[in-house]
Amino acid sequence: ETGVTQSPTHLIKTRGQQVTLRCSSQSGHNTVSWYQQALGQGPQFIFQYYREEENGRGNFPPRFSGLQFPNYSSELNVNALELDDSALYLCASSLAVNYNEQFFGPGTRLTVL
Amino acid sequence: QKEVEQNSGPLSVPEGAIASLNCTYSDRGSQSFFWYRQYSGKSPELIMSIYSNGDKEDGRFTAQLNKASQYVSLLIRDSQPSDSATYLCAVNSETSGSRLTFGEGTQLTVNP
Repeated sequence: ETGVTQSPTHLIKTRGQQVTLRCSSQSGHNTVSWYQQALGQGPQFIFQYYREEENGRGNFPPRFSGLQFPNYSSELNVNALELDDSALYLCASSLAVNYNEQFFGPGTRLTVL
Repeated sequence: QKEVEQNSGPLSVPEGAIASLNCTYSDRGSQSFFWYRQYSGKSPELIMSIYSNGDKEDGRFTAQLNKASQYVSLLIRDSQPSDSATYLCAVNSETSGSRLTFGEGTQLTVNP
């Protein structure tokens, strides 16, 4: 069984740039959620994707957007990067949309300069 | 009031002792409760889930849930240095869909 994978591992961008982060869900899991974790904080929910559509969104501005593909993999896009976007971005997959156990990938560490 | 609050750390216990981690939540509609362990520089790892009042045991870990008091805890028996990590409490409620709401975490250090 393949776990959740994310790419890239680390990324350095400058303010104003755009970034795309990628996630492959665990085998058999059709629901993907994205979280942002700032240093010393708990993860904050960004949004969730199920059946290629957004299924719930946290308190993040529209410059945070996402996609889910037919193979359940997902992308997180962030436009107009700000310094405060520097964080660990976590992807979590779950067996189904109403199945709440979520399993995290290794994360992408984004640094915005 | 924060949606999910955890006892402020850091928490330090000697090897072999019981570590007690606590979490309270504000949404009475919360139905699913999770404990994640996060080692420094790593991502959270699910270690326990609990859905009904009472205790749930898994090896050295026991999760306790009291919905009336809006309280969930994690006990780690026979603590080992390898248990040193940040423990995150996460809560899901029907009104919030499938999102998990996390506390800020409690940092645990087990001293040999």
